[in-house]
Formats: sequence, C-alpha cells, structure tokens
Amino acid sequence: EDQVTQSPEALRLQEGESSSLNCSYTVSGLRGLFWYRQDPGKGPEFLFTLYSAGEEKEKERLKATLTKKESFLHITAPKPEDSATYLCAVQDDFGANNLFFGTGTRLTVIP
Amino acid sequence: DVKVTQSSRYLVKRTGEKVFLECVQDMDHENMFWYRQDPGLGLRLIYFSYDVKMKEKGDIPEGYSVSREKKERFSLILESASTNQTSMYLCASSLDGLNSGNTIYFGEGSWLTVV
Repeated sequence: EDQVTQSPEALRLQEGESSSLNCSYTVSGLRGLFWYRQDPGKGPEFLFTLYSAGEEKEKERLKATLTKKESFLHITAPKPEDSATYLCAVQDDFGANNLFFGTGTRLTVIP
Repeated sequence: DVKVTQSSRYLVKRTGEKVFLECVQDMDHENMFWYRQDPGLGLRLIYFSYDVKMKEKGDIPEGYSVSREKKERFSLILESASTNQTSMYLCASSLDGLNSGNTIYFGEGSWLTVV
C-alpha cells in the first residue's frame, strides 16, 4: 500500500529564515509526486508535479526536489504570505486515477 | 484558469437526512473526484468518475454514492447522513486521467456538519 509521510507536522519560521519540508513516500511504482498549498478553509492549490528522481521545479520562493524515496520543498526567505499547509501526494502506476496524500506540514511565517 | 465550483460551502444537516453535494467544473475535464479531508487523516478518495455515467469506488465509499449525468457536473450523495460523516468535502477534476501526469484541480470545499 502506498504511504506518504510528511515532516515536520508544523513549522514556525521567522520571515527570511529559509527551511525545507520533507515528504517521504513508499509506492510500488511512482508515476508522479505532487505538491499542493492549502490555506485555512480552502481547497488545495496546485504547486508542482515531479516525475523522476533528480527533477527540480521552482516557483517564486519555493523549490521542489525529488529522490527515489523522498521529496523536499525548500522555502527560501519566506514571507508571512507563505503561511499555509503544504500537502504532498503521490500517484502510483496502479492507481492511475488517484492521488494518495500525506497529512501535510503547517507552516507559519512570523513577521 | 481551471474553475471547480462547489455549490454549498457550509451545510448543517440532521442524522438520517439525505444530503446532496454538487460540483461543477468548467474546463471540459474527463475526470472528477470527491475527497473528504479530516484532521490527522489527510485527504481520502471517496469516489471518482472518468466519464459521464461512469464511476469507481475510492478508498472510503461506504455510506456515499455519486452521480454524473453531465460531463461538467459530479454530485456526491449521502443517502442517510451520520455524525461520522461530518467533514470537509473536496471536489476535484483532471484532464484525461492521471496516466499522463495531469494535475488534479480542487474546489473550495464544502463543510458538512451532521447533528
């Protein structure tokens, strides 16, 4: 069975203090790894898809990387508006129409 | 921009009531999904549909049914609501399945409380 574990559960950063969120996964065959951002009371907003180990994608202060066992979401010089819950999800070769989600990392950036 | 619209943001229903949650997408996506999200459990798939009138069970289909009569509309039905169905429900859609890595886009969510 697919497993996705995100750490830490919660993270508090000072504005400008860079850090990384971790997503460890176990799948029989990875078809894609997805990162979403979710603000309180709202639906998840798509950020990135990564398909193969070594791949990297960037968007503003966020950079996602992928290895064969985990993905990192690096946040460089975060701002208060980056505060949100960040969700990681995997798609395997068998569950072609589904994503299996982790429980998320709740990020708070303090001014 | 992809738009997935859930018609009801907040609902309060009584135990035993029949509940309909409606979702519409405007991007001509083949696939539509219903998830529920609970603290500490993440998002879990209830049902999905890959075409009109087609549906497949997800991980937690018990107590739910779905209807897809038109491509753009996907409804989640709670035949007899129970308190353990109090949750946030998220509708989503994607183009032509995820086989090609197409992204799932989510609606804003429907908060259902069953009393």
